[in-house]
Amino acid sequence: KQEVTQIPAALSVPEGENLVLNCSFTDSAIYNLQWFRQDPGKGLTSLLLIQSSQREQTSGRLNASLDKSSGRSTLYIAASQPGDSATYLCAVRGTGNQFYFGTGTSLTVIP
Amino acid sequence: GAVVSQHPSRVICKSGTSVKIECRSLDFQATTMFWYRQFPKQSLMLMATSNEGSKATYEQGVEKDKFLINHASLTLSTLTVTSAHPEDSSFYICSASRATGWGETQYFGPGTRLLVL
Repeated sequence: KQEVTQIPAALSVPEGENLVLNCSFTDSAIYNLQWFRQDPGKGLTSLLLIQSSQREQTSGRLNASLDKSSGRSTLYIAASQPGDSATYLCAVRGTGNQFYFGTGTSLTVIP
Repeated sequence: GAVVSQHPSRVICKSGTSVKIECRSLDFQATTMFWYRQFPKQSLMLMATSNEGSKATYEQGVEKDKFLINHASLTLSTLTVTSAHPEDSSFYICSASRATGWGETQYFGPGTRLLVL
C-alpha cells in the first residue's frame, strides 16, 4: 500500500523567507501528485497538480517538483506571507484513481 | 471550474443515531466518488471508493455496515454513519472524479464536520 510522508511536520518562518516542503512516497507507480492547502476546520484547496510525466509545475509564488523514480516531491514557496499560514498536504494518486494523503506540514509565517 | 458540494457542513447528533452526508457534483457527472475521514491534527484517510450503480469498495479497517455508501446517480453519493458513537466524530470529505484532457481529475468537497455526543 502507498505510504506518503511529509517533512517537516511543522515549520515556522519569518515573513519574506523562501521555504521548501518535502513529500515522499513509497510506490513510484503513480498517476499524478497534487499539493493542497487546508486552513483550520476547512476543506482542501488545490494548489498544484503534477502529472506523472511532468517534472514540475508553477503557479505564482509556488513551484512543485516531482521525481517519480526516487519517490519525492517538493513544494517551493517564494517570499512567504502571513496569509500562507496553513497546513499543506501532499497527495499521490494511484493507478486505481484513489488519493493517498501525506501527513501534512503545518506552516506558520510570522509577520 | 468543477464544483463539489457537501451537505450538511456541520452536524451534531446523539450517540446511537444515524447521520447522512450528501456529496454532489454540481456541474459535472462524476464517474467515481471517494469518501475520506480526517481526525484532528491528522491527514485524510481514504474510507471508500464509490461508483455509480455498484457497491462501494471499502479500505481495510473501514466497516461497511457502519458506513453505508449509496451512489444513486452520477452527481450524488451519500455516506450514512449508522449508530454513530463519539469515536466517529471527525471531518468527512468527499471527492468526485471527472474526466478531463489529462484523464481523471478529482475535485474535493468542503467537508462535513460530525460531532457525536
